[in-house]
Amino acid sequence: DTEVTQTPKHLVMGMTNKKSLKCEQHMGHRAMYWYKQKAKKPPELMFVYSYEKLSINESVPSRFSPECPNSSLLNLHLHALQPEDSALYLCASSPGPGTNTGELFFGEGSRLTVL
Amino acid sequence: QQQVKQSPQSLIVQKGGISIINCAYENTAFDYFPWYQQFPGKGPALLIAIRPDVSEKKEGRFTISFNKSAKQFSLHIMDSQPGDSATYFCAASRDTNAGKSTFGDGTTLTVKP
Repeated sequence: DTEVTQTPKHLVMGMTNKKSLKCEQHMGHRAMYWYKQKAKKPPELMFVYSYEKLSINESVPSRFSPECPNSSLLNLHLHALQPEDSALYLCASSPGPGTNTGELFFGEGSRLTVL
Repeated sequence: QQQVKQSPQSLIVQKGGISIINCAYENTAFDYFPWYQQFPGKGPALLIAIRPDVSEKKEGRFTISFNKSAKQFSLHIMDSQPGDSATYFCAASRDTNAGKSTFGDGTTLTVKP
């Protein structure tokens, strides 16, 4: 069982909807990430939170808005998405910068379909 | 510019055979080299990882071989099983900065019974 929990597992939304993806980890990790993955492609980094502060935004369009309410939770707010934004959205965590482990712990992902 | 090149794109192996996937990197600052395994509909999961101070690491049927001078590393799956059928991604990062992991394009492995 994954220790990074993502909800919902599946989401279908229209281009005018507002929805949110949620992620939770209880491993005490201080870095959390959002990745986007298209079919048969590697994960693409979107955002990095380090100690609850946004540290990296990989030039992601503003229709994606991340939020880190506390060290265990990470949200991704979605608004006015386009059909090409349909993908698997993965949340991941790692112990944190400066720690001697580069392992990423991924959730099972939220499959998003934009109509 | 892609910093981690992975090959082959797809691989078909008979049950009991050896599966070999190769990766090459460019950035000599990388010091952590993981392999992730991803099943359909699931997120990637760490399979095995190596740091450049060793040339080989083995965990069960899975072995990473690392060639620092050639900037290459490979995954060997011995006695491949149908349950190993998945997509495998190599990656490279600074050990203290997992968030900047650079992934290879992935290899889809099919193990035929």
